[in-house]
Amino acid sequence: DTAVSQTPKYLVTQMGNDKSIKCEQNLGHDTMYWYKQDSKKFLKIMFSYNNKELIINETVPNRFSPKSPDKAHLNLHINSLELGDSAVYFCASSQGGTTYEQYFGPGTRLTVT
Amino acid sequence: QKEVEQNSGPLSVPEGAIASLNCTYSDRGSQSFFWYRQYSGKSPELIMSIYSNGDKEDGRFTAQLNKASQYVSLLIRDSQPSDSATYLCAVNTRGTGGFKTIFGAGTRLFVKA
Repeated sequence: DTAVSQTPKYLVTQMGNDKSIKCEQNLGHDTMYWYKQDSKKFLKIMFSYNNKELIINETVPNRFSPKSPDKAHLNLHINSLELGDSAVYFCASSQGGTTYEQYFGPGTRLTVT
Repeated sequence: QKEVEQNSGPLSVPEGAIASLNCTYSDRGSQSFFWYRQYSGKSPELIMSIYSNGDKEDGRFTAQLNKASQYVSLLIRDSQPSDSATYLCAVNTRGTGGFKTIFGAGTRLFVKA
């Protein structure tokens, strides 16, 4: 049973395209996150949702738009992809807000050419 | 000053030895502290969480927290080659929208057989 799942696992696309990444968790958690891990392996928070409400929105270009249709799902849509968007994107979830343990999905490796 | 600092390593220890990983943080108001393990090409995996000063033990792992010194560490006893990975320190810290989790850059650990 996969706790936090993401699709797709790999995404290769050209500059200027629009793409989406989907995340689902079956842990019953109320908080979900998107993180970006760049080529230097630095993991940085992008967004956080608690019960479908946006609670953290870091300094991220507005080409990135998260959407949470329900508390088990958090999707990430990226418009006008740029070379610098190439990274691994991780979804995570936790129960009780941002204070507690987070559990990560397997990641989506995005390559923009 | 970086919010969460770790020695990038690599830290190399022989099999069976104790590996000591250290982390300092800048926000005195931080309440939650975590250690994650990340194998190459995989997602971060939670190892330990610690919320109060002192030691917390779980199997071969011991997390130590000293809020006065703003210092958290992870000890791995009887290190095994399978412990070779990058260890990420994560600290819950105050942001504009509430608390968020900040990750250190990670320490690479090599356990030599």
